[in-house]
Amino acid sequence: DAGVIQSPRHEVTEMGQEVTLRCKPISGHNSLFWYRQTMMRGLELLIYFNNNVPIDDSGMPEDRFSAKMPNASFSTLKIQPSEPRDSAVYFCASGLRGVGYEQYFGPGTRLTVT
Amino acid sequence: AQTVTQSQPEMSVQEAETVTLSCTYDTSESDYYLFWYKQPPSRQMILVIRQEAYKQQNATENRFSVNFQKAAKSFSLKISDSQLGDAAMYFCAYKAAGNKLTFGGGTRVLVKP
Repeated sequence: DAGVIQSPRHEVTEMGQEVTLRCKPISGHNSLFWYRQTMMRGLELLIYFNNNVPIDDSGMPEDRFSAKMPNASFSTLKIQPSEPRDSAVYFCASGLRGVGYEQYFGPGTRLTVT
Repeated sequence: AQTVTQSQPEMSVQEAETVTLSCTYDTSESDYYLFWYKQPPSRQMILVIRQEAYKQQNATENRFSVNFQKAAKSFSLKISDSQLGDAAMYFCAYKAAGNKLTFGGGTRVLVKP
């Protein structure tokens, strides 16, 4: 299996632009998670889906952030408009639903907003 | 709300020696799992070891072992015979019903040759 796939790996954009991060989970996994990692705040869960349905989006910073999962094999995280404080590494992870199952992380997208 | 605390920002260990990373957590749940993840400079998050809360026996994976003290809500990671490839950030994480992973702030491990 190819593991969790994220694209792009690096993104540099100017403040005010729209940014879309993409994730392909591991086939067969029914839960998908979006995390943000910064030096100041560490690893934060932004949102997660079970069976393509958003379950908890309490970690989404504000309305500029939105996430979708149109099917079991694809998810997007969109930031519009982007701001310099959004600069971070964004991870997508997938796993099986259930307390005992681990989450498999993608390689992350490093976002820089200038 | 559940919280996970790693009190050691950085630990240094000599190659072939042993290092122990601390982790404490706060929860009112009885059924949960604890994990240690490793993040090397490549930034890929890699599962090192997991512990089920209802199991008294401490988990072991090769050179990695945990000391799980449920009453004290403590979950430390021991790395034995440290190798240069063990140099990384290590994150303790907690998971209960609801599928969410809550991470600690991380401990950076430096391995001296």
